Amino acid sequence: EVVMTQSPATLSVSPGERATLSCRASQSVGSNLAWYQHKPGQAPRLLIYDTSTRATGIPARFSGSGSGTEFTLTISSLQSEDFALYYCQQYNNWPPLTFGGGTKVEIK
Amino acid sequence: EVQLLESGGGLSQPGGSLRLSCAGSGFTFSSYSVSWVRQTPGKGLEWVSIISRDGLTSKYADSVRGRFTISRDNSKNTLYLQMNSLRAEDTAIYYCAIKSGGNYPFDNWGLGTLVTVSS
Repeated sequence: EVVMTQSPATLSVSPGERATLSCRASQSVGSNLAWYQHKPGQAPRLLIYDTSTRATGIPARFSGSGSGTEFTLTISSLQSEDFALYYCQQYNNWPPLTFGGGTKVEIK
Repeated sequence: EVQLLESGGGLSQPGGSLRLSCAGSGFTFSSYSVSWVRQTPGKGLEWVSIISRDGLTSKYADSVRGRFTISRDNSKNTLYLQMNSLRAEDTAIYYCAIKSGGNYPFDNWGLGTLVTVSS
């Protein structure tokens, strides 16, 4: 099983600032890495897939990078609607499909 | 607009059973693999099970194999999860999610349905 580890668990950021979220895989997942945004009471939303491709309708302030075992989600200038939980997920070696433990982006 | 609507959650005693449903609309249901993913209280997301487009192939997480059964009815655009021998650790919000194929992410998710296992 590929174990996904996200850091930090909580990130306190002021609106307008840059946020950098990390995700590490226990073994290489190539570029088969996605990021999701999840707000309470809402459906999780696909943000980034294949490491760096934004999903339909996702603003350009969201970007993804990395390869192999180290990945990053960057939100260039945080908007009020961006405060949420963020999960990474690998879909390279499965089953099982595995998620990171999540990073909560909160208002500083 | 793609919509996935889960139902069937509720309270069950340990050892009990529940059947979840997920109705899809706004897309060609039979063109997607469909999965169940759960979110346990205070924890993250855990993949539970997946079924192929034609319903002939299914896979399960070790934690539910032998207790849960995934199925689908493409004529009704509906996914199911039969959950037997429920345990307290199965308490979670259960989401259905669709993916286009093998090495693809989950394109869309539902709002989830809450399952609580408690005596």
